[in-house]
This record gives sequence, C-alpha cells and structure tokens, in this order.
Amino acid sequence: EVQLVESGGGLVQPGRSMKLSCAASGFTFNNYDMAWVCQAPKKGLEWVATISYDGSSTYYRDSVKGRFTISRDNAKSTLYLQMDSLRSEDTATYYCARHRYGGFDYWGQGVMVTVSS
Amino acid sequence: DIQMTQSPSLLSASVGDRVTLSCKASQNIYKYLNWYQQKLGEAPKLLIYYTNSLQTGIPSRFSGSGSGTDYTLTISSLQPEDVATYFCQQYNSWWTFGGGTKLELK
Repeated sequence: EVQLVESGGGLVQPGRSMKLSCAASGFTFNNYDMAWVCQAPKKGLEWVATISYDGSSTYYRDSVKGRFTISRDNAKSTLYLQMDSLRSEDTATYYCARHRYGGFDYWGQGVMVTVSS
Repeated sequence: DIQMTQSPSLLSASVGDRVTLSCKASQNIYKYLNWYQQKLGEAPKLLIYYTNSLQTGIPSRFSGSGSGTDYTLTISSLQPEDVATYFCQQYNSWWTFGGGTKLELK
C-alpha cells in the first residue's frame, strides 16, 4: 500500500524557516517524480514544487522561487521542502504527492504550516 | 500561466441525479486534464486522468469528457458518498488547478 506521511509543520514567524519531510513507503520511491502541493485555508490547490525521480531536476512556482528548496533522499525514501523567508501568504496545508498521469496519484494526509507573529 | 475556471462553485443535487461539473481552461490544453475529489478533512483523490481515463478503484459512475478548453466531469447517479469538492487540474503547462466545485445533497 502506498503511503506518504508528512511531518514538520507548525507555527512559525514571518521571515523564519521551516523544513517539511515526507516519508514514502509501499512503492519504489526512486522511480517517481515527487511534488509538494499546498492548500490555503478554505481555498483551492496550488502546485508548489516538483523534483525528478533522481533529484537532478527541480521546478518551482514563481511565488516560491529563491525561497523554497525541494530535495529528496532516495536511500531513505524521503522527500523534503525547505522553506525560507516565510510569509503570511505561505500559510497553508502542504501535501506531499506522487507524480503520475500528468498529475498526482497519491497524496499524504497533509501538514499545516502557519506563518504568523 | 494557464487559468482553470470551474462552474458552478456550489452544486446541490439529489441522490440518483445525473450531475455535470464544468472546467474551462484559458487556452487549449489538448486533453491534459485530471479530476480530483476532496472530502472534508481529507487529501485529494485522483478520479480521472487525461480527460476520460478512470483511475483504478474509482466507481464507473464517474466519467470525464472534453477537448480544447472545455471539460466536464459527470456522475451518472449521485450517491451520498460523493459529497465532496471536485477540482480539475491541467498539465499542458506546469500544473494548475481550478477553484473547485462543492457538491452537496439537496
């Protein structure tokens, strides 16, 4: 059974950093591109970042370029999102998701990030 | 960026109804369109990919169609467990989602 379990969320002050992790199991992690997708409270979904199966390529939405870094450790089957210079508008639930069929076929349960002083 | 617009934003229907949800892209997305279902407090679930291909394990009452800029998700006979918010998502250029249609029981 495919499982994606996020951790690392919580309350953080504006301008500070936070790192999210996503532990994957039930599939061959290093065969798949992976992504982070966020959802602001009572809002829609927004793609945040993608990393290729081997970590050689990364892609970001414009609003997080230069502030967020997606990475992975294939030996540990774990995906990461390093978030720096956080802003109030980054407040959202962050989902780890597996890329397939041009979208996202498995999602974690999500982790809440609240940016507030 | 490609913008995705879903309509209606809220839809009320009765059990057994045929329900149609719409999604319009700001430019041609060549059928590169997926649909997701998100129940309250849960992560989204992939229902349909590439406009009309049913994801494994999804009931056959769900179907998708469309081309160019206009796409639809149809539920042939609404069931109580279908109450959820439905999102479309394009992948012709990066990945963007529609704002969602909230489906409730009348």
